[in-house]
Parts: sequence; C-alpha cells; structure tokens
Amino acid sequence: NAGVMQNPRHLVRRRGQEARLRCSPMKGHSHVYWYRQLPEEGLKFMVYLQKENIIDESGMPKERFSAEFPKEGPSILRIQQVVRGDSAAYFCASSYAGTGDEFFGPGTRLTVL
Amino acid sequence: GESVGLHLPTLSVQEGDNSIINCAYSNSASDYFIWYKQESGKGPQFIIDIRSNMDKRQGQRVTVLLNKTVKHLSLQIAATQPGDSAVYFCAENTSGAGSYQLTFGKGTKLSVIP
Repeated sequence: NAGVMQNPRHLVRRRGQEARLRCSPMKGHSHVYWYRQLPEEGLKFMVYLQKENIIDESGMPKERFSAEFPKEGPSILRIQQVVRGDSAAYFCASSYAGTGDEFFGPGTRLTVL
Repeated sequence: GESVGLHLPTLSVQEGDNSIINCAYSNSASDYFIWYKQESGKGPQFIIDIRSNMDKRQGQRVTVLLNKTVKHLSLQIAATQPGDSAVYFCAENTSGAGSYQLTFGKGTKLSVIP
C-alpha cells in the first residue's frame, strides 16, 4: 500500500551539474504534479503531467527545467546546470482523476553548493 | 505581491483546547479547497477538503468552514493534541481551465503546549 514515492530524498549538487528527481505515483494514479517549496513558504506549482503528456507547465522555468512522465517508469524532473537558487524541496503529488485531490510524496531536498 | 523570507504566522494552543487556523484565498473562481498538514521534513498530508457548493464539512476532530463572500477558509481542530503540531496550509484549486494545479497559502505553524 505504498503512497507516492520520491527519490532521492536528499540530493547535493555543485553549480553547473544536473539534478534528476524521480517520482512514482500511487498505484492506479496517472496524474502527476511537481511543486517546489522554499523554506517557510507554501508550495509553488511547477508542472502537471499525465502519462506521456505535459498538460500544464506554466509554473516551470522555461530554461534548464524539464519534466517527463513516460509510459513506463517514474516521472522525472530534470534540472540542468543547477544554480544556488534551485536549492529547495521538490514535491511530487499524484491523483487518480486529476480533479485536485492530490496526495504528496515525502519530497526531495536539493542543495546546490 | 507575496513576501519572501518572513517567518510563518504561529498559533500556540494548550493541549486539549480547540484550534482555529484561518486562510484568505485569492481567486473567486476557485471551487475546491484542501487543508494540508506538513510536519518538519515531510510532504504535505491531506486533512480535509471542501467544494464551493458547501460552507461546512466535518471530519474526525476537524471542521472546515468556507465563506465565499469574503473568500475565507478556516480549519478548526477540536481537542488539540501534541501530534497536531505542524505547519498547516490551505490550498485552492480552480477547475475548468484544463489544469488542476493547487495554489497554496503561506501556512500557519501550530504549536501545541503540553
């Protein structure tokens, strides 16, 4: 009865490296959302995906950030050439029908040195 | 615009008392609202939700009230326990635009005094 799984839980990168964050939704869920959270702030929407499709990426920076949710395997949030400002907690959520009832994973805490 | 880097509002309550956490939402078109609890180092945990066609919904020890006229949401926790200590976020969702992203409020930190 696994919930939303994210890995790694903690990720340290140096400036200019790439970060790959993985999210496995709850069983039976085909809608995935990525959010970013800075310390003492609420979560900010980044991107919403269904299997093999990006539905809404209005919250994702146009450069360096990309997301995918392949037919098989987890959803991936990829950050290229990381900068210190990318340091944050990144949360993935999934839902069954994409109607807003989202269940969150434990997050990946990215630290850029 | 939003403030960045300010400390979260904090609510301190005695164990056993009732807690009321308030939230003002921004979009009058929002039709679905959720309260989340976030403990340190963890992801948000769903507590209770309410749709815009309702003004009150009760769960186990929690009640959510929705006032659409003033765009206000509140979470009431009865008989607050130490395990309720966490940051509480309200989130609003606007359906109908092809996307169901949630917009989160800034959060309130609840501290329960044993």
